[in-house]
Amino acid sequence: SAVISQKPSRDICQRGTSLTIQCQVDSQVTMMFWYRQQPGQSLTLIATANQGSEATYESGFVIDKFPISRPNLTFSTLTVSNMSPEDSSIYLCSASASLGYEQYFGPGTRLTVT
Amino acid sequence: QKEVEQNSGPLSVPEGAIASLNCTYSDRGSQSFFWYRQYSGKSPELIMFIYSNGDKEDGRFTAQLNKASQYVSLLIRDSQPSDSATYLCAVSSNTGKLIFGQGTTLQVKP
Repeated sequence: SAVISQKPSRDICQRGTSLTIQCQVDSQVTMMFWYRQQPGQSLTLIATANQGSEATYESGFVIDKFPISRPNLTFSTLTVSNMSPEDSSIYLCSASASLGYEQYFGPGTRLTVT
Repeated sequence: QKEVEQNSGPLSVPEGAIASLNCTYSDRGSQSFFWYRQYSGKSPELIMFIYSNGDKEDGRFTAQLNKASQYVSLLIRDSQPSDSATYLCAVSSNTGKLIFGQGTTLQVKP
């Protein structure tokens, strides 16, 4: 199984600012994903982070709001831009060795926007 | 119709009993099926995965898959208070993306 770390673990940010979340995997993986989990809710997929190309976003999520980078097979970042209180949530990255294989999650980043 | 459905619970069982958690999915093209355990304030932890029809056992956990009925379940034998958590069913299609159910909260009472 992959071991995944995220930074920061939590942050409190002001409205209108941006925050970049980092995700590091301890081994090379084919697939990396970003999810959001709002209080009391299940996980919602934001996008698939593609190595060397633009991320693939799910309905309701756009690149201008959630730009994603994936420069190599072990690292990805998610930026939450121009934040509003509605962006307060837990953001999770996950990784999978290959398509359809098990996905493992990082510890999450708890974001509060004031 | 939701893509992956679970009973939100709470499901309450006494310590030592068998807990049975159920999940149905709508996409017949789904190929991989996962159960995650999530403790409050923590991220999801993968506890079982199953790809083929039938049963798969790992310790106290058994995953059961019936593709014809579009049904996947998780049995926890000899339930312990430490098993109290939210259990998330997730289904993956050929894109690799996971679709999660809403989760079932399990309470194991001593």
